[in-house]
Parts: sequence; C-alpha cells; structure tokens
Amino acid sequence: EAGVAQSPRYKIIEKRQSVAFWCNPISGHATLYWYQQILGQGPKLLIQFQNNGVVDDSQLPKDRFSAERLKGVDSTLKIQPAKLEDSAVYLCASSLEGAIATDTQYFGPGTRLTVL
Amino acid sequence: AQSVAQPEDQVNVAEGNPLTVKCTYSVSGNPYLFWYVQYPNRGLQFLLKYITGDNLVKGSYGFEAEFNKSQTSFHLKKPSALVSDSALYFCAVRGDTGRRALTFGSGTRLQVQP
Repeated sequence: EAGVAQSPRYKIIEKRQSVAFWCNPISGHATLYWYQQILGQGPKLLIQFQNNGVVDDSQLPKDRFSAERLKGVDSTLKIQPAKLEDSAVYLCASSLEGAIATDTQYFGPGTRLTVL
Repeated sequence: AQSVAQPEDQVNVAEGNPLTVKCTYSVSGNPYLFWYVQYPNRGLQFLLKYITGDNLVKGSYGFEAEFNKSQTSFHLKKPSALVSDSALYFCAVRGDTGRRALTFGSGTRLQVQP
C-alpha cells in the first residue's frame, strides 16, 4: 500500500514569510498527526486530527501555526509568519484508529524547513 | 507527564556483534512502547511495539526489544549488527490514561563499523 505522502520535501524561506505543507495519509487511516522535529531532538506532536476534528493541539503555537483537515483525508499545516526557530523537519503521520493507544503511527518522509 | 530517556547519544558496535540501544520511560498507567528508525532524509520507520504479554517483542529487520516493568525500560537489541543498521533510533511511549500523544526520546545514533 502507498505510504504517507508529503510535499514539498524542502523549503527555504525568509523570516516573517508564510509557508504551507501538505500531507496525504495512508488510505483509510482516520487519524492524522503533524510533528515538528528540531535537529538533534525527537519529534514533538503539534496537532492530532481524528477524521476532520482536532483531538489534541495543546502544543501548537496557535499565534502563528494553523492546520486543517477539511474533508477528513489530506491536511495542510501553515506557518505565518515564520520565525528562525521554526527551522525543523515537519513530519506527518497517520494511524488507522488513533483513539486506540496501541495504534501504530506511520510517518511520511517529512518537509525540511529552513528559515533565514 | 510522560517522558522517554535515551541515555546514549551514540552507540558504536562492530559488524557481527550484538547491539543494544537503551530506553527508559515514565508514564501514567500502562505503557505502550514503540521503536522507530530514521535514515538520513527519510521519515521514521516503525520497528516494533510492546502492548502487553510477552516481555520480549520481535520486530522488523531482526530487531527485538525487552520490556522490563520494574526498571521501566524498553531496550532495543539485535544479535548480530549489520553496517546497514547504522541510523538514528527513537524510542517512544504512550500511556493508557491522561494525554494519549506519543512522546519520543531524543534519539540514539547507531554506528556499525565494518
């Protein structure tokens, strides 16, 4: 089966610009996650969707980050305006049924963002 | 709050030797533990998980992990390392109470020398 798709793979922007990332999860997966992975650290959850509803966005910097999953399939994560500290890899993951704690998350290849 | 510690930034091992990558955790309730591997410029690939039952979990590419409740550890092991195992390894935990988000450790870089 096809894996989690993400685009673009790389993005370079200047601070205060805006940027958007796209993710298409594995077909049939109800739950979608966005993670931020700063160099040298493990991924940190930004937001979790169950179908098209938000389950957990407690770690999302809502003053500049936004995300949507309008039709319960693909998702977009936006940063506006970007700061230098937003430089990171943004990973999208999906799972069949995220409400189950034992569910396995499958990750896309990520988008590497560099903010200059 | 849940947390994961991977005490070694890097583990070096010779090809053919056994390898261990350490992980300890803290979580409310029962722990669900995961290991992922990350190759350069790639996303995380799932290796194995512990849910319940047998403390020794077998996963992909010959890896296994041992769950130890009393020591709150979930160490990743492989009997014979390959050069191609060289990568970044992440341990992650999720509890069955409280916040259900997956919490990752900071990662351990495994270097297998020929």
